[in-house]
Amino acid sequence: QVQLVQSGTEVKKPGSSVRVSCKASGGTFKSYAIGWVRQAPGQGLECMGGIIPLFGTTQYAQEFQGRLTITADEPTSTVYMELRGLRSEDTAVYYCAREKIGGYSNYDYWGQGTLVTVSS
Amino acid sequence: DIQMTQSPSFLSASVGDRVTITCRANQSINSYLNWYQQIPGKAPKLLIYAASTLQGGVPSRFSGSGSGTDFTLTISSLQREDFVTYYCQQSYTSPRSFGQGTKVEIK
Repeated sequence: QVQLVQSGTEVKKPGSSVRVSCKASGGTFKSYAIGWVRQAPGQGLECMGGIIPLFGTTQYAQEFQGRLTITADEPTSTVYMELRGLRSEDTAVYYCAREKIGGYSNYDYWGQGTLVTVSS
Repeated sequence: DIQMTQSPSFLSASVGDRVTITCRANQSINSYLNWYQQIPGKAPKLLIYAASTLQGGVPSRFSGSGSGTDFTLTISSLQREDFVTYYCQQSYTSPRSFGQGTKVEIK
């Protein structure tokens, strides 16, 4: 059974960085991409970017260029999302999700979400 | 980046009603369109992919249609558990993008 398990709640100061992990189990890690989606309180879903662990290739939404880094550690089937220069508007629940490579891709499995609160 | 626009943002309906949510892309995305359902406090759940293919385990009252730029999600007979929020998402190109969501409320 496929599971994505994310790291726990974070409280950060403005200007600092946060790193959230997403550990995959029950599936073939290399055959999928992992995307990151966030949701601010009471708001909709926002795609941040993703990584294909097999190739190490990443793509980031324009809004996060320069502030976001997504990496993968194949031996532990874990993907990391690091967001720098945090501001209050980055307060959100951050989700990782598995995406099939190629074809009509979609996010078929999701992590449980990680709440990141940015506050002074 | 591709922009996705859903309508309506809010929908008021009754149990048993047939409802339709629309999603429009600002450029053609072929059939690279997915629909998700989100219960408050939970991660989204995939309902439909490739515009019209039902994800395994999803009730048949959900259906999707469309291609190019215009898509619809239809719930043929609303059940109590369907009064939540729905999102469309394009997977035609990166970065992926979602519509703003449609919240279905009980009338």
